[in-house]
Amino acid sequence: DAKTTQPTSMDCAEGRAANLPCNHSTISGNEYVYWYRQIHSQGPQYIIHGLKNNETNEMASLIITEDRKSSTLILPHATLRDTAVYYCIVRVRGGGADGLTFGKGTHLIIQP
Amino acid sequence: ETGVTQSPTHLIKTRGQQVTLRCSSQSGHNTVSWYQQALGQGPQFIFQYYREEENGRGNFPPRFSGLQFPNYSSELNVNALELDDSALYLCASSGDRASYNEQFFGPGTRLTVL
Repeated sequence: DAKTTQPTSMDCAEGRAANLPCNHSTISGNEYVYWYRQIHSQGPQYIIHGLKNNETNEMASLIITEDRKSSTLILPHATLRDTAVYYCIVRVRGGGADGLTFGKGTHLIIQP
Repeated sequence: ETGVTQSPTHLIKTRGQQVTLRCSSQSGHNTVSWYQQALGQGPQFIFQYYREEENGRGNFPPRFSGLQFPNYSSELNVNALELDDSALYLCASSGDRASYNEQFFGPGTRLTVL
């Protein structure tokens, strides 16, 4: 799996859009970008994934640059409940039985 | 649709003992993965079971073993517990191969080894 780099922590005001960056400069052509988050004392929660097109679901939007070397997870209207550690993971879809590789992620703190 | 459940929620053991943790998969999922999460770290992959067979393993010693049952529920067994085994143990289920990476996690079992 390609290595990812994320900021250690970020703050965002409640009601504003939270933009979480992830660098994955060594991503391969068949690797997808996945995002998970982990709210304190809970298991991780799958958010979204994408290959090269921008993706949106009920939780978030994922913007992947044209060269695919970086991406941004966008929470459009952050609430206090979005305070969590966010993990960016790059991985071949459907390939391998070696589990997800979680780094340290970004600790997002939503301020009231 | 029933989510992933784990039992027990918390457990305290002493060094050298053995422990069994249990997981029920989300309905319709046939793949179960187990992770260990130490305090302040991201989850680390232990192993994965697909249709009752182990089909992937992370960098964990053989004293970490597992089972998957015909109903796709699963157990994680740890023998000869060490102090460093204190962690949150997470179970995750997923569906067909194409969606391996869209895993649904349970709330975890907090294991403390004294």
